[in-house]
This record gives sequence, C-alpha cells and structure tokens, in this order.
Amino acid sequence: DAKTTQPPSMDCAEGRAANLPCNHSTISGNEYVYWYRQIHSQGPQYIIHGLKNNETNEMASLIITEDRKSSTLILPHATLRDTAVYYCIVSDTNAGKSTFGDGTTLTVKP
Amino acid sequence: GAGVSQSPSNKVTEKGKDVELRCDPISGHTALYWYRQRLGQGLEFLIYFQGNSAPDKSGLPSDRFSAERTGESVSTLTIQRTQQEDSAVYLCASSLQVDRAVYGYTFGSGTRLTVV
Repeated sequence: DAKTTQPPSMDCAEGRAANLPCNHSTISGNEYVYWYRQIHSQGPQYIIHGLKNNETNEMASLIITEDRKSSTLILPHATLRDTAVYYCIVSDTNAGKSTFGDGTTLTVKP
Repeated sequence: GAGVSQSPSNKVTEKGKDVELRCDPISGHTALYWYRQRLGQGLEFLIYFQGNSAPDKSGLPSDRFSAERTGESVSTLTIQRTQQEDSAVYLCASSLQVDRAVYGYTFGSGTRLTVV
C-alpha cells in the first residue's frame, strides 16, 4: 500500500467547512483513496472513498487531484461532533491489510 | 447484529496469563482484520483472514500472538503469556471481499486490554 502524509492536527470553526489534506505521491493506478475517522474511544468509521473522480456522500466530499498524488476530504458544515482523528489510506481493491498512519486530529471549536 | 461485535469490551489480566479476544463480523463478510492501537497511537495491522485462511500474518508481533477463524465467521485472537507492552485496544474489522472498494471496512468498538 502507498504511504500517505497528513498534517498532525487542524482546527475548524463550527459551521464552517473543514478541508483535510492528504498526500499520496506514490499511489499506483489500481489504488483507491479511503478516508476513515475515529472518535475518541470508538473504532474507526468509514467515511468515503474514490479512485480518480470526485465523490460526495451524506457525510463528506472527496476531491482527488488529476495526477492523483493528493486528495482533500471536505466536511461542508463541521459540527462539534466531527471532532475526531481522520485517517487517509490508499489501498487496492483486493482484500488485504490497509496501513493506517497517524492521521489528522481535527478539533471543531464553537 | 448489524455491526461488528467484539468481546469483552474491557479485559484486565495479570502479566503472564493468556487471553482470548473474540470478534463477530458482519454476517456474510468474508474478510476479517485485526488491528492493535496503543494509547495515543495509530492503528497497527496484526492479521487478516479471507474466509478461514490467513494469507497475511505479517503483523503479528511475536509467536505469543495467534488467531483463528472458523465457519467464515467468528475469529479469536489469542495472546499467550501476556506482557505489559501488550496493553492496547484490539480492533476487529470486516469487509465484503468481492468489492472492498465499495464498502470499505466496518470496525468494531474494540477490546481494551490492560496487562497489570
């Protein structure tokens, strides 16, 4: 699996958009970008994934650059409950281990 | 149930004792994963099952750790002769292997193991 790089922490004001970046410059053609988040004392929760097109679901949007070397997770209207550690991982579609880095700790402030 | 269930949720054991941690994946999920998360750290891959077979055991930290899966369902992670450095949250996840890209992983809430 390709390695990812994320900032260790970010702050966001409640109600504003939270934009979480991820670099994955060594991603290969068959690898997807996945985002998970982990709220304190819980297991990680799947948020969204994509290959090369931008994706949107009820939780978030995922913007992947044309060269696929980086992506941004967007929480359009952050709430206090979105405070969590956000993990960006890249992995191919075959079942197998996924490597979780240290993630970004997002703190949403009132 | 609808989600991944892990038991016990908390386990305190004495150094040197053996422990068994259980994971019940989502029904029909053929792939099952074990991760370990030490306090304040990220997730560390331990082992992965496809059906009842474990193609990748590369993350097991020592021969004190073993895992099995039966009936393409329940999995047990066993730690023998526990040490204090084994203290962590042990997380289990499952996924539909056929097209993992669609579903991603579903994680359980973990077992918090404390070795005293």
